[in-house]
Amino acid sequence: GAVVSQHPSRVICKSGTSVKIECRSLDFQATTMFWYRQFPKQSLMLMATSNEGSKATYEQGVEKDKFLINHASLTLSTLTVTSAHPEDSSFYICSVTLAGGPGYNEQFFGPGTRLTVL
Amino acid sequence: GQQVMQIPQYQHVQEGEDFTTYCNSSTTLSNIQWYKQRPGGHPVFLIQLVKSGEVKKQKRLTFQFGEAKKNSSLHITATQTTDVGTYFCAGRAGGTSYGKLTFGQGTILTVHP
Repeated sequence: GAVVSQHPSRVICKSGTSVKIECRSLDFQATTMFWYRQFPKQSLMLMATSNEGSKATYEQGVEKDKFLINHASLTLSTLTVTSAHPEDSSFYICSVTLAGGPGYNEQFFGPGTRLTVL
Repeated sequence: GQQVMQIPQYQHVQEGEDFTTYCNSSTTLSNIQWYKQRPGGHPVFLIQLVKSGEVKKQKRLTFQFGEAKKNSSLHITATQTTDVGTYFCAGRAGGTSYGKLTFGQGTILTVHP
């Protein structure tokens, strides 16, 4: 399977600042990575699909100017939360999809980044 | 858009009892996946079902995919305390074998020793 890392694992910041979260695929070249947000005891909500070398595809309701995604290489995607506010506090998780055959696609998740905005 | 509903939201069982969580999609799915998330952890892939009516087993876990490829279930026999966590189903829209997954709300399983 694919090994995915995220950095940082936890971050606390003041309201109005920007925070960058890195997602790395350590043993797999990922042309596509996914960014999710998860609130406590809730499901994973897909925020955007990060495409290497091109613009990210954002889900409806997700502000692309607030959540900046850059996928500059096959092993790194970054999510920047700009001008963070307390309501942005959440668990942010990235994932990559590993194709294992026709119709078979397993997602491997990073360990997540817990963002707290004061 | 596609919606995936999962029930129940919470389930408390005594160790040794069985547990089932159900997943229903508003649209036909290409495939469905199941994930387990331990408290404080990230989702970990359990299995993927692709074929209509498919049944797969992993030790005490049994996964089913409905004939219409719109629903699925996960059944755990004789639960253990190590089964504690949140179980998510995630569906991929029909006609696509690659791309985004829509997650159900998850079922939080608590196992009392």
